[in-house]
Amino acid sequence: SSELTQDPAVSVALGQTVRITCQGDRLRSYYASWYQQKPGQAPLLVIYAKNNRPSGIPDRFSGSSSGNTASLTITGAQAEDEADYYCNSRDSSGNLLGAFGGGTKLTVL
Amino acid sequence: QVQLQESGPGLVKPSQTLSLTCTVSGGSIGSGGYYWSWIRQHPGKGLEWIGYIYYTGSAYYNPSLKSRVTISVDTSKNEFSLKVSSLTAADTAVYYCARGEFYGDYTGAFDYWGQGILVTVSS
Repeated sequence: SSELTQDPAVSVALGQTVRITCQGDRLRSYYASWYQQKPGQAPLLVIYAKNNRPSGIPDRFSGSSSGNTASLTITGAQAEDEADYYCNSRDSSGNLLGAFGGGTKLTVL
Repeated sequence: QVQLQESGPGLVKPSQTLSLTCTVSGGSIGSGGYYWSWIRQHPGKGLEWIGYIYYTGSAYYNPSLKSRVTISVDTSKNEFSLKVSSLTAADTAVYYCARGEFYGDYTGAFDYWGQGILVTVSS
């Protein structure tokens, strides 16, 4: 089983706000990064270092962290945001990028 | 703009060794500062970190794969490679190479990815 736990599926109405969560003990000390993956495509970094967006990522994507939970929030979800989302952080062996969550399938209704 | 491109066989036989190469353009591996990574995704499943290597040759591996995996780097060719031995059908996956960056001691990210290469293990 994954060291980082994500809900398998989440849905949101078009234009509404959705939060995707990632839980793990090491998130109390280490920040997560977040990736969006659409069918047939490579993952795309959307949030890094808790709440930083790479160039080109819309500002409706934001990140936060509290206790053992990291969150990705999409404010005003668009149809093109429908995708799988993965969190990533340190694993139990000390590799800073060694653990991925199981992924959350986001459906935009 | 950094670009990564995987290359290698799409079909490998069980018990054999898989060899993949990732060619980097738009940036120099030898400049340092990044961890050159391999990640795989089984069909219809999530992402699995395989390992990464620094330009000095220091490599770090997923403990669950460490006994079968070797990552190497060739700074003169600006490429890095993955070898996975003793293949089984369970190694069938899309293999991605990616660039990892650390932001201090407490976080990092994979900021550039290759398009991925599907490797099927079958006789």
